[in-house]
Amino acid sequence: DTAVSQTPKYLVTQMGNDKSIKCEQNLGHDTMYWYKQDSKKFLKIMFSYNNKELIINETVPNRFSPKSPDKAHLNLHINSLELGDSAVYFCASSQEYYSNQPQHFGDGTRLSIL
Amino acid sequence: AQSVTQLGSHVSVSEGALVLLRCNYSSSVPPYLFWYVQYPNQGLQLLLKYTTGATLVKGINGFEAEFKKSETSFHLTKPSAHMSDAAEYFCAVGNTGNQFYFGTGTSLTVIP
Repeated sequence: DTAVSQTPKYLVTQMGNDKSIKCEQNLGHDTMYWYKQDSKKFLKIMFSYNNKELIINETVPNRFSPKSPDKAHLNLHINSLELGDSAVYFCASSQEYYSNQPQHFGDGTRLSIL
Repeated sequence: AQSVTQLGSHVSVSEGALVLLRCNYSSSVPPYLFWYVQYPNQGLQLLLKYTTGATLVKGINGFEAEFKKSETSFHLTKPSAHMSDAAEYFCAVGNTGNQFYFGTGTSLTVIP
């Protein structure tokens, strides 16, 4: 059973399109995250939700909008995709929103903008 | 502000040799410290963590790390490298303000 699952695994699309990435965790965790990993492997946190409430909203263009329908799901919608959005996006979860909690990561969604 | 520094973005070791990946952090209070590993085309997996207690922490796959407060370090070691250890390794720090920071990663190559 995959603990944190993301779909799709690969996403290739044209500039200007709108796309969504879905994430589900079956660990019973309260907190979920979205990260962006660039081509140099640098990891940047984008959003964090705790019990469906937005906790962290880093400096991210408002074309990115997270949605958490319940605490097991955190989806990411991206409007008007740009070339610079090409990256690997990781969803993660932790038991609670405390920084002593390890995070469990999905396998990533590789987004390529043509 | 909190920061995490991983010295050496690329480290190469021979199979069977000691692995040492360095991590230093800046914090005025003892932080929570983690090492994660990322294999190609996969997400990050927790290797080990230090939150409190014993400063030498053992993790999976034979890795261990030691929290040295005086040196503000949390270096990752493994006595004998295996080919399967080739991956990207990330040090991460959490502070008491519930903020979490990842280092920039170290790519480990194991030479046969």
